[in-house]
Amino acid sequence: GAVVSQHPSWVICKSGTSVKIECRSLDFQATTMFWYRQFPKQSLMLMATSNEGSKATYEQGVEKDKFLINHASLTLSTLTVTSAHPEDSSFYICSAILGQNNSPLHFGNGTRLTVT
Amino acid sequence: DAKTTQPPSMDCAEGRAANLPCNHSTISGNEYVYWYRQIHSQGPQYIIHGLKNNETNEMASLIITEDRKSSTLILPHATLRDTAVYYCIVRPTYNFNKFYFGSGTKLNVKP
Repeated sequence: GAVVSQHPSWVICKSGTSVKIECRSLDFQATTMFWYRQFPKQSLMLMATSNEGSKATYEQGVEKDKFLINHASLTLSTLTVTSAHPEDSSFYICSAILGQNNSPLHFGNGTRLTVT
Repeated sequence: DAKTTQPPSMDCAEGRAANLPCNHSTISGNEYVYWYRQIHSQGPQYIIHGLKNNETNEMASLIITEDRKSSTLILPHATLRDTAVYYCIVRPTYNFNKFYFGSGTKLNVKP
């Protein structure tokens, strides 16, 4: 079945530094990927839609200069959390659609970010 | 933007069927219903989806009411490993690519 891989699975960084998270579709091409964020005991919140070869589209309230998204190929999207602060500590999850229209989303296993 | 309502939690005895309800009373005619589950500290796992007919796969069955305003996910023989948060999602037609998660149902399967 379709597999979406995220790396790293967890990362600890210091305030003010930047962290890059990778999301790969392993056995299919994904023109569109999605990034979610999840705080403890809460549901997933859609942050942005990553489009191959074009700019990402961000959900309302998500700072595009804070969360940089690059989707340079059909199998790789990256999320960079810039100038991280402790409040950015969260579980970040990417996903991709295999196929078109009503195909389901497939999710990576997430990245636990802790900013100290 | 979530268009679904689910009970916050449910208990189920191991080996029994788990029936998880979802209300989506504002669903449009061409919007699909999707079910996912999330085990602690993992990414959501796809379970099943449907439009108006009942669906079954190796994991579960999906029963959609005739008026499509609600649905039920059925795990026929729940195991302890089915303990998770289950999300019912309606994909909006104005942007079929986007999935917005509601608060989900925490299913506790007990021995």
